[in-house]
Amino acid sequence: AQSVSQHNHHVILSEAASLELGCNYSYGGTVNLFWYVQYPGQHLQLLLKYFSGDPLVKGIKGFEAEFIKSKFSFNLRKPSVQWSDTAEYFCAVNRRGGGNKLTFGTGTQLKVEL
Amino acid sequence: KAGVTQTPRYLIKTRGQQVTLSCSPISGHRSVSWYQQTPGQGLQFLFEYFSETQRNKGNFPGRFSGRQFSNSRSEMNVSTLELGDSALYLCASSLTLEGTDTQYFGPGTRLTVL
Repeated sequence: AQSVSQHNHHVILSEAASLELGCNYSYGGTVNLFWYVQYPGQHLQLLLKYFSGDPLVKGIKGFEAEFIKSKFSFNLRKPSVQWSDTAEYFCAVNRRGGGNKLTFGTGTQLKVEL
Repeated sequence: KAGVTQTPRYLIKTRGQQVTLSCSPISGHRSVSWYQQTPGQGLQFLFEYFSETQRNKGNFPGRFSGRQFSNSRSEMNVSTLELGDSALYLCASSLTLEGTDTQYFGPGTRLTVL
């Protein structure tokens, strides 16, 4: 069974600071990788995903993530955060060929201060 | 295009009762997945339906069941409710069973068991 670890549970940054949220997964086979975001009072929505090709993927709102296969990692980055990035961020994986069943990490609550 | 809708949005039940939650996917989406979100356990996969057949199942007791109709709408049922079933139940839809598809989440049904 796969598992996902997010190392930072709470992160507080000032506007314009750079962001990196860690995500590691445990699974012996091929996976698809996702970052979802949940803004206050809103639905979970997809930030970006990776399943093949260039391991550096770009998503919405200036976010990007890099898949490093040797480290089983898929860290999320943003060069300069804004107050509106305050949200909870979830890393998730599913097994290639295993349908849409997502295994989520525990989430990282990001607060961006003005 | 309308998003994923879930009804009801809020429910209060007592222990021992049963409950049925409904999910209407985005038009054209044939896969519906259900997740339970709690502060302690995070987001956990319940089951996935595609073409009226359960395709994936998470590690939940048999009290949790679901079904999908020919129009792709889905319901989940929880029988003999326990206090620990209090949670936000999320439904997600996607076009196919391809794990690379984006899953679109609904607003959730907040279930409180007293």
